[in-house]
Amino acid sequence: DAKTTQPNSMESNEEEPVHLPCNHSTISGTDYIHWYRQLPSQGPEYVIHGLTSNVNNRMASLAIAEDRKSSTLILHRATLRDAAVYYCILRDPDRGSTLGRLYFGRGTQLTVWP
Amino acid sequence: EAGVAQSPRYKIIEKRQSVAFWCNPISGHATLYWYQQILGQGPKLLIQFQNNGVVDDSQLPKDRFSAERLKGVDSTLKIQPAKLEDSAVYLCASSWSESYGYTFGSGTRLTVV
Repeated sequence: DAKTTQPNSMESNEEEPVHLPCNHSTISGTDYIHWYRQLPSQGPEYVIHGLTSNVNNRMASLAIAEDRKSSTLILHRATLRDAAVYYCILRDPDRGSTLGRLYFGRGTQLTVWP
Repeated sequence: EAGVAQSPRYKIIEKRQSVAFWCNPISGHATLYWYQQILGQGPKLLIQFQNNGVVDDSQLPKDRFSAERLKGVDSTLKIQPAKLEDSAVYLCASSWSESYGYTFGSGTRLTVV
């Protein structure tokens, strides 16, 4: 079901910016791009989502390519608490529901070094 | 606001036994989801409720799994009988709408021995 491609793992040093890429070449015009992260022994946590324009919130920024076939989650200053699995998810257009159920892939394991 | 509550936090059972998990979503969230997460994988959707009705249970192994959401609030997920491959974390999530994202509980870690 996964329609996104992410690197299996990435590493960063503390207080450095992190750019987590996601490819979604088959995205449809009405698909939202969602990012969630999962800390150890916890459920996934919403990070950010967007449709076409770049988005910012207190946790991160989401940069969406003009053709929408890729996006990048930006953590401006990584902390040790940001070490988690990051999931890039599209709302599945084949389901035809406006309720937007989420389908997770394997995500990117982010390691943050002190 | 209070988060999504799940219980128990951990459960160990023998194969062929039965087990039930409970979820209390965020107040006012009409949509509730159950996910199964096997170690090393992303969560897999099992069932989705809208209020107390099932919207999608196409990925639920109905020969052994069942779920209900009485009165459109709390939900229970049951496995009967359990198999070794059911060992996983069972996550409950709720949402107001897609625009607001999902809120997940901490999950129930099930070990079948």
